[in-house]
Amino acid sequence: AQSVTQLDSHVSVSEGTPVLLRCNYSSSYSPSLFWYVQHPNKGLQLLLKYTSAATLVKGINGFEAEFKKSETSFHLTKPSAHMSDAAEYFCVVRLGYSSASKIIFGSGTRLSIRP
Amino acid sequence: SAVISQKPSRDICQRGTSLTIQCQVDSQVTMMFWYRQQPGQSLTLIATANQGSEATYESGFVIDKFPISRPNLTFSTLTVSNMSPEDSSIYLCSVDGNRGQGAFAGASDEQFFGPGTRLTVL
Repeated sequence: AQSVTQLDSHVSVSEGTPVLLRCNYSSSYSPSLFWYVQHPNKGLQLLLKYTSAATLVKGINGFEAEFKKSETSFHLTKPSAHMSDAAEYFCVVRLGYSSASKIIFGSGTRLSIRP
Repeated sequence: SAVISQKPSRDICQRGTSLTIQCQVDSQVTMMFWYRQQPGQSLTLIATANQGSEATYESGFVIDKFPISRPNLTFSTLTVSNMSPEDSSIYLCSVDGNRGQGAFAGASDEQFFGPGTRLTVL
């Protein structure tokens, strides 16, 4: 079955320390993978995406993610957390290659930043 | 990128009534998607709406409960019928970033999401 698993429902880090949000996927295809962020009472915003190009993907706001096929992982990292990073983060996998292919959302990880 | 607007942004409704949510995109798109995000939960796909054909519903969602219209390439509506408190959610409209024509257009682009409609059913 195709799926995406976010291993932590909640992550709390201190401001200025590294962030790691974990995501594992299961797909029969070579997947397209995305990270989205949802700030309170705001819409979803794309952070970054992997679509079979470079395995290390850089996104907005200093975030990056590395696609590791051997580990079926696409973890999101940031070297130094900022208070404005507090939000809900979703790992998303796209199944297939056409515009009709479905996307599946992970369960989400709530990131809290301690002053 | 695609700019998506939704109306209403939020509503409080009584049990047993229906609400129609509108989604407008600033460009023509082949497919539009409707999602539900229940409180504290992730997004779940309700259905995919193609212009000129019946919407395709995901498991657990039926047309009688969530009728969808897609009259043209820039607009869609989702109706939540005979509402109950369990329908309290955020409903989001989404389009594919590729916006190519046909099912075999490339799919590497992101999905764009509307701001959502926050529905509370009393």
